[in-house]
Amino acid sequence: GAVVSQHPSRVICKSGTSVKIECRSLDFQATTMFWYRQFPKQSLMLMATSNEGSKATYEQGVEKDKFLINHASLTLSTLTVTSAHPEDSSFYICSARGAAQETQYFGPGTRLLVL
Amino acid sequence: AQSVTQLGSHVSVSEGALVLLRCNYSSSVPPYLFWYVQYPNQGLQLLLKYTSAATLVKGINGFEAEFKKSETSFHLTKPSAHMSDAAEYFCAVSDYVGAGTASKLTFGTGTRLQVTL
Repeated sequence: GAVVSQHPSRVICKSGTSVKIECRSLDFQATTMFWYRQFPKQSLMLMATSNEGSKATYEQGVEKDKFLINHASLTLSTLTVTSAHPEDSSFYICSARGAAQETQYFGPGTRLLVL
Repeated sequence: AQSVTQLGSHVSVSEGALVLLRCNYSSSVPPYLFWYVQYPNQGLQLLLKYTSAATLVKGINGFEAEFKKSETSFHLTKPSAHMSDAAEYFCAVSDYVGAGTASKLTFGTGTRLQVTL
């Protein structure tokens, strides 16, 4: 149980284009989903927290207009990197947590490369 | 406020030797503590968690961790390392205080475990 998927696993795009990453909880209802960014050989940096049906809460320093997060259902959250630039290249990981749960379950990550 | 310190960014052990990965935490509320493992180019997999029940927690793949409040520690151990244990290990603390409350995970900087023959 507690499986989280991400799609795509890897994406390469041109600078200036937008990229959408999906995060799905496959066998439980995720009332809260989290988006992280991880640079090579570093820890995870929380970008934003989203609750189903609500606007996401962004961490300090994260541009909400650049990283659009939608959590329209209890099993799906999306992260859209708008007008991507090479500095946005990174490993993006989502996690999901059910109601009354203390544990976050992580997706396999999406590697974004912006050329 | 909460924080996690993982001593040793890189630990190397021989196959069959004891694995000890250190984690110390700071939390303003009774902590929930987690160890996650990350294999190259993959997400994080939950190894084990402490949620205020038994202080010695057993996880997957033969790992266990002991919560020591007096030492504010949650070190991860495994009696005998296997080559497949080579990975990055993250300790994390949560400020979860119950259903309906917002909470976040704060991660340590990670420890890369190398297992040699």
